[in-house]
Amino acid sequence: NAGVMQNPRHLVRRRGQEARLRCSPMKGHSHVYWYRQLPEEGLKFMVYLQKENIIDESGMPKERFSAEFPKEGPSILRIQQVVRGDSAAYFCASSPAGGEYGYTFGSGTRLTVV
Amino acid sequence: AQSVTQLDSQVPVFEEAPVELRCNYSSSVSVYLFWYVQYPNQGLQLLLKYLSGSTLVKGINGFEAEFNKSQTSFHLRKPSVHISDTAEYFCAVSERAGSYQLTFGKGTKLSVIP
Repeated sequence: NAGVMQNPRHLVRRRGQEARLRCSPMKGHSHVYWYRQLPEEGLKFMVYLQKENIIDESGMPKERFSAEFPKEGPSILRIQQVVRGDSAAYFCASSPAGGEYGYTFGSGTRLTVV
Repeated sequence: AQSVTQLDSQVPVFEEAPVELRCNYSSSVSVYLFWYVQYPNQGLQLLLKYLSGSTLVKGINGFEAEFNKSQTSFHLRKPSVHISDTAEYFCAVSERAGSYQLTFGKGTKLSVIP
């Protein structure tokens, strides 16, 4: 029974390139959340998705960032034209329902922009 | 909106000594409370959570936490730490009544000294 799977674990991109981060939720979980952890900071909420729907993207930067959770396949967090300030750990979590009782987190993708 | 304050950014403690990691929160509504642990280069693992009922909550790895509503605190304790407890610990809250967003503190790095 695999947990929340994120890949890649580490991603290096040059400034201006695109970064695509993938998250497969736990089996039976249909709610996915993305969080970002900047150095020396706690995790900050970015976006909440259900299959084919974005429920809340209030934590997403207005430009360059997008997220999807298609009917088939993993959830994708896409960052276009990356800048150095995007360097962070990006964590995905999933839950079977609304998530107010807590989630299961993946191991994260550590993005480094050079 | 709620906020979480973890009063100590780093806590060194000798092996087999007791430890307390402090967490205070601020919220205008009732909340659920969580402690997560993050080992180096790994994701977050749920240690324990308070949803309702007894204010003393027991979690994994011998940790426990006590919810104090009047002091708006949720301190984490362990009577005797082990080297393997060296990690970063995050306190988090979510609003009751269906809120899925977790608000995290900045974390406390626990270093267990042999």
